[in-house]
Amino acid sequence: QVQLQQWGAGLLKPSETLSLTCAVDGGSLRGFYWSWIRQPPGKGLEWIAEINHGGTTNYNPSLQSRVTMSLDTSKSLFSLNLTSVTAADTAVYYCARGLFGRYYYDSGTTPSYYYMDVWGKGTTVTVSS
Amino acid sequence: EILLTQSPATLSLSPGERATLSCRASQSVSSFLAWYQQKPGQAPRLLIYDSSNRATGIPARFSGSGSGTDFTLTISSLEPEDFAVYYCQQRRNWPPVVTFGGGTKVEIK
Repeated sequence: QVQLQQWGAGLLKPSETLSLTCAVDGGSLRGFYWSWIRQPPGKGLEWIAEINHGGTTNYNPSLQSRVTMSLDTSKSLFSLNLTSVTAADTAVYYCARGLFGRYYYDSGTTPSYYYMDVWGKGTTVTVSS
Repeated sequence: EILLTQSPATLSLSPGERATLSCRASQSVSSFLAWYQQKPGQAPRLLIYDSSNRATGIPARFSGSGSGTDFTLTISSLEPEDFAVYYCQQRRNWPPVVTFGGGTKVEIK
C-alpha cells in the first residue's frame, strides 16, 4: 500500500523559503500527479501545485510567482519550495497523489477525472518573526 | 477559474438522519467531481471519485451524484464517525488548476 512520508522545517521567519519533501513509499511516481495542498488554521483546503513523472508542473496562479516543485525519480520523492514566506503562509501542508485521466464515450464526450487518493499526514509550518 | 461553492456551510443533524451536501461549480466543465472527508487533526480522505464512485473502503451510506454544475454528496444515515468536514474538488483541464470547495461541516445536533 502506497504511503507518503513528508518532512520539512516547521518554523520560518518572514522572507525565508519554505522547503518540504514528500517520499513515496511502496509505489512508483509514474502515472500520477503529485500535489501539495495547504490548510491555514481553521480554514479550508488550497491546492498549491502539482508535478508528474515527466516533470511537468502546474501551479496555483495565486502562488505561481513564489512556488517551485521538483522531483527525484531515483529516490521516489518530490519537493516544494515557496519563497518569501509571510504569516499568511502559516498552514498545515499536505502532499498527495493525484490520478488524472479522461474517459472516451461512444457519444463522443470525453470527460476528464482527477482525484487525490493518497495523502501524507501533513506538516505544520508556522511563519513568525 | 472554476469556483466551487458548497452549501450549507454547516449542517446540524442527529445520528441516523440523512445528510445532503451540495457543491455548485461556477461554470459547467466536462470533468468529474471528487469528495473528501476531513476529521480534526487528520488529512483529508477520498470518499467519492468520478462524481459517484465510492473509494475503496467507503461505506455504502455515502453516495455522490450530479453533473455539469450541480453535485450532491448524500449520507443516507449518519453514523457518529461521519461528523466531519466535507470538501468537493474539481480540476480544470486547461490551464490545469485544482479547486476545492469551501467545505461543509456536518456537526452533531
